[in-house]
Amino acid sequence: SQTIHQWPATLVQPVGSPLSLECTVEGTSNPNLYWYRQAAGRGLQLLFYSVGIGQISSEVPQNLSASRPQDRQFILSSKKLLLSDSGFYLCAWSGIGVTEAFFGQGTRLTVV
Amino acid sequence: AQSVSQHNHHVILSEAASLELGCNYSYGGTVNLFWYVQYPGQHLQLLLKYFSGDPLVKGIKGFEAEFIKSKFSFNLRKPSVQWSDTAEYFCAVNAGNNDMRFGAGTRLTVKP
Repeated sequence: SQTIHQWPATLVQPVGSPLSLECTVEGTSNPNLYWYRQAAGRGLQLLFYSVGIGQISSEVPQNLSASRPQDRQFILSSKKLLLSDSGFYLCAWSGIGVTEAFFGQGTRLTVV
Repeated sequence: AQSVSQHNHHVILSEAASLELGCNYSYGGTVNLFWYVQYPGQHLQLLLKYFSGDPLVKGIKGFEAEFIKSKFSFNLRKPSVQWSDTAEYFCAVNAGNNDMRFGAGTRLTVKP
């Protein structure tokens, strides 16, 4: 069966520090991968999605970037965190012929 | 890109009351539609989905949703809610381009 791992679960980082959140999927090949940010009352905002290695689509201009160095690995990064980057970040995957998305447990990021 | 609107931000019901949560999307082509639920402290999970066929779809825990193409709507319903249905509910649309969009979410509180 397929599983999705996202870490860390919580993270406290100072303003100006770099960020790297990692997400990996097991049990499937060539998944579509997504990064979302969840904010209270604002639902799930799609940040990035990827349909293959090295292919990243960005939905909103922001202080974040994403990379997909391997088929089942998706990384969310920032060179310098801002206070406004605080939030709950979710990784998700969907597969060919299976268009629903499956979510990781999320990372609570607090920038101080 | 498609967008999703959920009109109710917070709904408060008593047990045994009927529930209907609104969801409208903006996209003129073929869409796949979903409702996800997030119980307190848990990750997002799929409640039901519509790909094609019968526009009335049934999901887990007695939930159902009706796809009305002419209204671009996919409202979620349950005839009689329980206290355990207290959660946040998200409508989502995938237009087949690997771009899964979510609404802002509706928080449901069921009073015992």
